[in-house]
Amino acid sequence: ETGVTQSPTHLIKTRGQQVTLRCSSQSGHNTVSWYQQALGQGPQFIFQYYREEENGRGNFPPRFSGLQFPNYSSELNVNALELDDSALYLCASSLAEWTALAKNIQYFGAGTRLSVL
Amino acid sequence: ELKVEQNPLFLSMQEGKNYTIYCNYSTTSDRLYWYRQDPGKSLESLFVLLSNGAVKQEGRLMASLDTKARLSTLHITAAVHDLSATYFCAVDIRGDDKIIFGKGTRLHILP
Repeated sequence: ETGVTQSPTHLIKTRGQQVTLRCSSQSGHNTVSWYQQALGQGPQFIFQYYREEENGRGNFPPRFSGLQFPNYSSELNVNALELDDSALYLCASSLAEWTALAKNIQYFGAGTRLSVL
Repeated sequence: ELKVEQNPLFLSMQEGKNYTIYCNYSTTSDRLYWYRQDPGKSLESLFVLLSNGAVKQEGRLMASLDTKARLSTLHITAAVHDLSATYFCAVDIRGDDKIIFGKGTRLHILP
C-alpha cells in the first residue's frame, strides 16, 4: 500500500469524448507524475507536476493535459479520445526535496484502466 | 535519448532454478529501479540502486548495478511460483525527474 489513490479504477469511453482521471498523492509528497501503460508495454512518461506547475513532459500531444492542486492532488485530462488511448494510466507521487535518497523515489497508485471504444 | 533495454522479454523457468534478468541503459543516470507488476495491478517497488557496485537483496531476489557498463541485473535464486510476474527496470535521467522504463520481462515459473 503506497498511499497513492487513483479514481476511477475502470472507465469506458467512446472516441472523441473527454476524460478526467484523478490522483491523490501520498501524504507529504509535492510532486506527481503520470504514466501511460499500454497492454504488454512498459509505462511511458506523460508529464510531471511540481507545486502546481508542469515540470517536464514526455512525447504526448497537447490533448493530454494536467492539473495539480494546492493539496498536491492531481488530474489528468485527455480530450478527443482515440482508440490508442486505451491503456492503464498510472499516477506516481514523490518528494522533490534535496536529500539524495528520498528525492524522486516514486510511489505508484493502482492505476485507472481506460478503454476507448 | 535515454533508452532502457531488458532481456529476456519472456522467461519460463522451473521452480528451484536460478536465472538472471539483464537491464542495459544508454546514458548516465542517477538511479536504477526494479519494479514488479502482477497482471492487472500497479507497480510494486522492489529495489532502488544508487551507486556503482550497489547490491540489494530481498528474499530470493538480488539486484546489482554497474554504472560503468550501464548494466543492472536482477538475479532470482531457487525460483518459486509466487515470483511469476512482469519485472521492469527503470532509470531516471540525470538532472530530470522522469523515469524511463524498459519493456519488462514477463517471468513465468512452472511448478
